[in-house]
Amino acid sequence: DAGVIQSPRHEVTEMGQEVTLRCKPISGHDYLFWYRQTMMRGLELLIYFNNNVPIDDSGMPEDRFSAKMPNASFSTLKIQPSEPRDSAVYFCASSSGRVSPLHFGNGTRLTVT
Amino acid sequence: GQQVMQIPQYQHVQEGEDFTTYCNSSTTLSNIQWYKQRPGGHPVFLIQLVKSGEVKKQKRLTFQFGEAKKNSSLHITATQTTDVGTYFCAGTNAGKSTFGDGTTLTVKP
Repeated sequence: DAGVIQSPRHEVTEMGQEVTLRCKPISGHDYLFWYRQTMMRGLELLIYFNNNVPIDDSGMPEDRFSAKMPNASFSTLKIQPSEPRDSAVYFCASSSGRVSPLHFGNGTRLTVT
Repeated sequence: GQQVMQIPQYQHVQEGEDFTTYCNSSTTLSNIQWYKQRPGGHPVFLIQLVKSGEVKKQKRLTFQFGEAKKNSSLHITATQTTDVGTYFCAGTNAGKSTFGDGTTLTVKP
């Protein structure tokens, strides 16, 4: 099992640019979560999907953020336009149930200058 | 909304000393999970507690779930340098999980 795979590992972009983060969950996991981690705010849940359907996006900070899951093996988190305050580590996680243990990817460290 | 608080925020210990982190919820939890995140790494699941008063052990780690299911603790006996990292609890209520802010442990050899 390869675990949850995220790409890229690091992303440096300029303010105003579009950023797309990618995630491949563990095969067979029905739930996929996007988290953001910063020193100030800790681990924040942005959105989660069940069977490719977005269930709760109340954590998405603004309309600049959007997430999709076109199939069971792929999800994207897009920020357009990006701002310096979006700089953080973004984690994708998957699980076999809503409250089952989370399996995190290695994360994408985003820096917006 | 649900709040999960962890204390202390930081803990510095000498190798061989014990370490405890505490997790407190504003609401009754259906379960609680513990994760460890090494510096520069990602959170890794350690254990899940479900029952009131439950105690589970993993080698030098002891996890407890309070009788009221509103608090939990993680105790490490005789810390080692490999124990360094941030320990998070995540409490679940009404199908929603909330992470605490974590306790960052440093161990001096």
